[in-house]
Amino acid sequence: GAGVSQSPSNKVTEKGKDVELRCDPISGHTALYWYRQRLGQGLEFLIYFQGNSAPDKSGLPSDRFSAERTGESVSTLTIQRTQQEDSAVYLCASSRRSGGVYNEQFFGPGTRLTVL
Amino acid sequence: GIQVEQSPPDLILQEGANSTLRCNFSDSVNNLQWFHQNPWGQLINLFYIPSGTKQNGRLSATTVATERYSLLYISSSQTTDSGVYFCAADSNSGYALNFGKGTSLLVTP
Repeated sequence: GAGVSQSPSNKVTEKGKDVELRCDPISGHTALYWYRQRLGQGLEFLIYFQGNSAPDKSGLPSDRFSAERTGESVSTLTIQRTQQEDSAVYLCASSRRSGGVYNEQFFGPGTRLTVL
Repeated sequence: GIQVEQSPPDLILQEGANSTLRCNFSDSVNNLQWFHQNPWGQLINLFYIPSGTKQNGRLSATTVATERYSLLYISSSQTTDSGVYFCAADSNSGYALNFGKGTSLLVTP
């Protein structure tokens, strides 16, 4: 079946502009996660959605970052008034619930964001 | 949240050699995964292994949950094994993964 997909694959924007990044999770996966990977570093958690529960936004670095999810499908991460330090690869992952617990996460190919 | 530490940070191997990568974590885990990030940045799932031992071809992994560590074994390494290997864990079901800083592996011909 199809994996996690993300769009666009690359985005170049000017400082101060807003950007929207999209994630389509694997069908049937009720949990969706956003991570950020700066050059040469590990992944840092941004936000996750778990079924119908309120999202955990504890990883968002500033109020310029927000995310929405439509039901149990597509999610959009929005960065307002982009700054150069926002340049990174933004990765989305999803997982499904089985036997009352969430299992392994599967990652999309990421969106490489460059802020000039 | 749970802390994840990986060692070694860098590793250079000659093709055909074996290696062991280690992941220590600071709390009991619900989920522990090993990933390979290829040169194009894609994270490839290697193992979902909160406990026990699994094998997949030349790769195998063991997690000893009671002692809070996991090991990834690569046997008969190939140049295509090059890349960064990440260990990641969470301590509660459905929570976000906490990633280690990775082991950067280079396999030379």
